[in-house]
Amino acid sequence: AQTVTQSQPEMSVQEAETVTLSCTYDTSENNYYLFWYKQPPSRQMILVIRQEAYKQQNATENRFSVNFQKAAKSFSLKISDSQLGDTAMYFCAFFYSGAGSYQLTFGKGTKLSVIP
Amino acid sequence: NAGVTQTPKFQVLKTGQSMTLQCAQDMNHEYMSWYRQDPGMGLRLIHYSVGAGITDQGEVPNGYNVSRSTTEDFPLRLLSAAPSQTSVYFCASSRTGGHQPQHFGDGTRLSIL
Repeated sequence: AQTVTQSQPEMSVQEAETVTLSCTYDTSENNYYLFWYKQPPSRQMILVIRQEAYKQQNATENRFSVNFQKAAKSFSLKISDSQLGDTAMYFCAFFYSGAGSYQLTFGKGTKLSVIP
Repeated sequence: NAGVTQTPKFQVLKTGQSMTLQCAQDMNHEYMSWYRQDPGMGLRLIHYSVGAGITDQGEVPNGYNVSRSTTEDFPLRLLSAAPSQTSVYFCASSRTGGHQPQHFGDGTRLSIL
């Protein structure tokens, strides 16, 4: 089974600063997908960014970017120019389809607080 | 454009009662899934379906049943509710699989007394 580890249960950052959330995963597979999802206090789950493992280029979405280190099995999320609306739980997720399994596995999450 | 609709939003049950959490999507998505979210545990997959008539177990399937008779609907049944099933339940869908961005419903907060 694939595992996803988020080692930072809680983090805080000053508004307009940059913060990096860590995620590591365990797999023996070569082709897979990685995601960061955001869950604000409204409880809605929102996709932040997606990375395909076969692509070497790190994905970016506006102020959000990832540092994908395939050999190290690391997938960190960098949030630049943090805004109050970035306050949320952030979940790292891993997907691999093989041997008839199509499961998306989530980490336990990092609670990010943006301080004015 | 409704997306993924979950009903009810809140429910309180007594131990031993049964109920069905409803999930419907109007995007013609093939892949649908159910998760439970508990404090400090993230989202854990209960069951998923890759298309009508096809379902499979996730990480925590015990105590739950699912069926997928249509593309649009993916209900989750609790056969005999237990306090350990107190949780927030999310339904999600995507066009063809978990490798694509998931569209989540707003969740159902379920309390078992």
